[in-house]
Amino acid sequence: QKEVEQDPGPLSVPEGAIVSLNCTYSNSAFQYFMWYRQYSRKGPELLMYTYSSGNKEDGRFTAQVDKSSKYISLFIRDSQPSDSATYLCAMSAGSGGYQKVTFGTGTKLQVIP
Amino acid sequence: DGGITQSPKYLFRKEGQNVTLSCEQNLNHDAMYWYRQDPGQGLRLIYYSQIVNDFQKGDIAEGYSVSREKKESFPLTVTSAQKNPTAFYLCASSRRGADTQYFGPGTRLTVL
Repeated sequence: QKEVEQDPGPLSVPEGAIVSLNCTYSNSAFQYFMWYRQYSRKGPELLMYTYSSGNKEDGRFTAQVDKSSKYISLFIRDSQPSDSATYLCAMSAGSGGYQKVTFGTGTKLQVIP
Repeated sequence: DGGITQSPKYLFRKEGQNVTLSCEQNLNHDAMYWYRQDPGQGLRLIYYSQIVNDFQKGDIAEGYSVSREKKESFPLTVTSAQKNPTAFYLCASSRRGADTQYFGPGTRLTVL
């Protein structure tokens, strides 16, 4: 079993829809959670960074962490064709020193105009 | 503008040849990383360096080598010992001890 599980998709939605992207994990030590967006043939770009449980909002994006369920989500409101990309979740235990970051395999999202 | 650059964008290599991928950053980050990305497997850590003149093996270091002689630079050599080198290679950097990593644009290596 992988430490971080992420549905690869593809997920196709119409423009303007609310998108929900999710990851589950097995390591209860994870307490720092990140979402990256990766366009085709490009490097990942950091979108959201959250610590422990709770919600964090940034524009059309909301990151949600439920540590009790070992489940994190990224919501995209009013989705746009420019949101079409692969979304990677990432997490670390943050125990000091070198912070090993474990990445999900990514969910491919397509927003159809 | 601060950022990470990788060169070349595309690289072709014949079997049996060593090849070096360049990674440079001007973010003043102490830590740098090399990942390999394959379809369906996510990002796998090859090597990382927390400080100049020091580096550590990641999860899949066999067949790769690195150096860290300058803070700004972290080149990766893919040697002929790497059995399946065709992949997308990503360099990243971060502040030392931080988990938020910033990525370069990547190099796609194809072995012919």
